[in-house]
Amino acid sequence: GAGVSQSPSNKVTEKGKDVELRCDPISGHTALYWYRQSLGQGLEFLIYFQGNSAPDKSGLPSDRFSAERTGGSVSTLTIQRTQQEDSAVYLCASSSGQGGKETQYFGPGTRLLVL
Amino acid sequence: GENVEQHPSTLSVQEGDSAVIKCTYSDSASNYFPWYKQELGKGPQLIIDIRSNVGEKKDQRIAVTLNKTAKHFSLHITETQPEDSAVYFCAASSLVRTYKYIFGTGTRLKVLA
Repeated sequence: GAGVSQSPSNKVTEKGKDVELRCDPISGHTALYWYRQSLGQGLEFLIYFQGNSAPDKSGLPSDRFSAERTGGSVSTLTIQRTQQEDSAVYLCASSSGQGGKETQYFGPGTRLLVL
Repeated sequence: GENVEQHPSTLSVQEGDSAVIKCTYSDSASNYFPWYKQELGKGPQLIIDIRSNVGEKKDQRIAVTLNKTAKHFSLHITETQPEDSAVYFCAASSLVRTYKYIFGTGTRLKVLA
């Protein structure tokens, strides 16, 4: 079946503007994750959604970052008042059941460049 | 805090040779250790994983070993091929927050033809 999809694949924005990144998880997957990958770095956990439970937002770097997951499926990561240090690849992953017990499958990522 | 160290950061091998990438984790409660391969412009893809109740797992040319006492785990690729060239990431999950993977900083593997 279809994998995790993300849009847009690339986004160039000006400092101070807001951006929205979208993630469509694998159908039926209840768990969804957002990660940030800065150039030459590993993956930094941002947020985790599991079903209807309250999300774990402990990885969000500042209050400019927020995420929603509507209807237990699609998720949107919003970055307000973007800064140059927000430039990175934003990766979404999903898994069936409880994360950690089930494999996380990643999307291709959104490459964000803040000028 | 939780941390995963990965070495080396870059690795070049001749085609047909073996490649070994090593990771060390800090959280003794970690019990799941996946390895991901990331090709240019793509998201990470799971290539192999191991749980703490197993010391070694093999899948064709790829194997992973785990030493819980030393908190080390390693990826072994034998008979390397040019298509193995990519960035490889190790990760460790916590027993307490199993969904939270802590990733290493990655190893860029180049297989020279």
